[in-house]
Amino acid sequence: RKEVEQDPGPFNVPEGATVAFNCTYSNSASQSFFWYRQDCRKEPKLLMSVYSSGNEDGRFTAQLNRASQYISLLIRDSKLSDSATYLCVVNDGGISSGSARQLTFGSGTQLTVLP
Amino acid sequence: NAGVTQTPKFRVLKTGQSMTLLCAQDMNHEYMYWYRQDPGMGLRLIHYSVGEGTTAKGEVPDGYNVSRLKKQNFLLGLESAAPSQTSVYFCASRFRDSATNEKLFFGSGTQLSVL
Repeated sequence: RKEVEQDPGPFNVPEGATVAFNCTYSNSASQSFFWYRQDCRKEPKLLMSVYSSGNEDGRFTAQLNRASQYISLLIRDSKLSDSATYLCVVNDGGISSGSARQLTFGSGTQLTVLP
Repeated sequence: NAGVTQTPKFRVLKTGQSMTLLCAQDMNHEYMYWYRQDPGMGLRLIHYSVGEGTTAKGEVPDGYNVSRLKKQNFLLGLESAAPSQTSVYFCASRFRDSATNEKLFFGSGTQLSVL
């Protein structure tokens, strides 16, 4: 079993739709979680951090379910510019400042928003 | 503020050749990372560094070496390139100022092909 698993998609949705991605992780001790966005042939960029049960930033909502060991990303009112690959990232080393190595990436979920 | 600068952007090598990828950051970050990204596999950690003069192995270190002689630079070397090292390489540095505020800054990537 992979440490961090994502549905690769692709998800093809019309503009204005609501779309949700899930990401499951295997290490129950994981403490911090992130969603990164990666445009085609570009570097990943941080979209949202998830440190407690979840948080919201405009059209984006990230939620954490520790009991079931998954995080989700909800995008409301999808825009063409939301088309990208969304990477789930889990810090298995916890949130202590001394932990550096275990930032594990999922393989990404590809989203295409159609006009 | 340039952030993370990675060079070169593209390179083609023949099997057995060597090369060095350079990563430079101007944000005074302690932690730096080298990842490779292959289709369907997400980003995998090659080597990382928690500060000047220190390096450590990640998930897929074989065939690579690194050095961190200066805090701002993190070099990735391939001593004898193999076709299996054909990939996109990303360098990143890590910002963290609290338990709930951390972020990876990525370079723009290096597309390496080994023939």
